Amino acid sequence: DTEVTQTPKHLVMGMTNKKSLKCEQHMGHRAMYWYKQKAKKPPELMFVYSYEKLSINESVPSRFSPECPNSSLLNLHLHALQPEDSALYLCASSRQEVDTDTQYFGPGTRLTVL
Amino acid sequence: GESVGLHLPTLSVQEGDNSIINCAYSNSASDYFIWYKQESGKGPQFIIDIRSNMDKRQGQRVTVLLNKTVKHLSLQIAATQPGDSAVYFCAENLNTGGFKTIFGAGTRLFVKA
Repeated sequence: DTEVTQTPKHLVMGMTNKKSLKCEQHMGHRAMYWYKQKAKKPPELMFVYSYEKLSINESVPSRFSPECPNSSLLNLHLHALQPEDSALYLCASSRQEVDTDTQYFGPGTRLTVL
Repeated sequence: GESVGLHLPTLSVQEGDNSIINCAYSNSASDYFIWYKQESGKGPQFIIDIRSNMDKRQGQRVTVLLNKTVKHLSLQIAATQPGDSAVYFCAENLNTGGFKTIFGAGTRLFVKA
């Protein structure tokens, strides 16, 4: 099983809402990632978790709050977002946080902030 | 390819022809490079990778070439098929203590039947 699942597929939220994105993998991977992808642009790294600890935060605003409750799950908590935060949010995992380990991506959550 | 405004560079090829997609990467310290394919409504999918101590690597129908002197990568797809239509991204892995993946701008490949 080389699948990374993400829920929900689509999310529409207001600027005062609190919502969460969920990512799950059962490949035994110990590194997990959040990326943001705007239309017609490449994915941009947001966060990296390695062995359930935050390894990299690419200066992401605090209205995005990641959480890794166990080795299979990665959440992204959203609060007080802005319309410019509308994008495709991709989760990925790899065996470890090593440059030669392949990252497997989920299908993404399409987020619209009104 | 470099993105221009909101438009992805586009390559249009006839089914059965060979495709060559080019990419310039940014950091001479990058040690590992990957090509990803992203179809509509899906996340990026790994195609092939190459380390900086190599200049060529072949997979099934795909070949990646690396020219470190000019910081250039290319992806060659042999006998292109309609199922190859997608956006292709090159990516470089940069070691910053942890490592991070930096994606290039992307090229959209259209395959005409």
